[in-house]
Amino acid sequence: KQEVTQIPAALSVPEGENLVLNCSFTDSAIYNLQWFRQDPGKGLTSLLLIQSSQREQTSGRLNASLDKSSGRSTLYIAASQPGDSATYLCAGGWRGSQGNLIFGKGTKLSVKP
Amino acid sequence: NAGVTQTPKFRVLKTGQSMTLLCAQDMNHEYMYWYRQDPGMGLRLIHYSVGEGTTAKGEVPDGYNVSRLKKQNFLLGLESAAPSQTSVYFCASINRGPGDTQYFGPGTRLTVL
Repeated sequence: KQEVTQIPAALSVPEGENLVLNCSFTDSAIYNLQWFRQDPGKGLTSLLLIQSSQREQTSGRLNASLDKSSGRSTLYIAASQPGDSATYLCAGGWRGSQGNLIFGKGTKLSVKP
Repeated sequence: NAGVTQTPKFRVLKTGQSMTLLCAQDMNHEYMYWYRQDPGMGLRLIHYSVGEGTTAKGEVPDGYNVSRLKKQNFLLGLESAAPSQTSVYFCASINRGPGDTQYFGPGTRLTVL
């Protein structure tokens, strides 16, 4: 059974710090991995999607990497801002799953001014 | 484009009552999904559809039914609501198929008393 784990559950950093959020998964035959952002009381917004053939994706201050052999993905946030405060979720998709995603429980990030 | 919309945003039910949650997308997406999000449990897939007229069970389908009579709409029904179905329900859709970005609706917060 595929599982996705995110540690830590919560993280607090001062503004301006570069930070890394971690995601691990149990089945290395992953098809793709997505990182989402969720603000309190809101839906999920897709940040980055990495296909299994890719090693990383970048969007602005965000960079996500995928290492299938070690079963890990990281989301790097450069020069963090208070507006980055949210819960970050990673989700894996596996071939044959019809696009169904297996979600981690998220890391709640707080960036202090 | 409105993207993915969900109706209603909030609802309170009494045990045993029934209701239908509506998900609509205007992006002509083929695949649609219903998830529930519970504290400490993350997002879990209830049912999904890979095209108009098709539905399939996800991880936690018991107590729910779905229909996809039109490509743009995906309905989630609760036949006889139970307190265990108190949750936030999210609908999502993807375009061509697995490997594409999932787009989420804003969610429906349901409380069953």
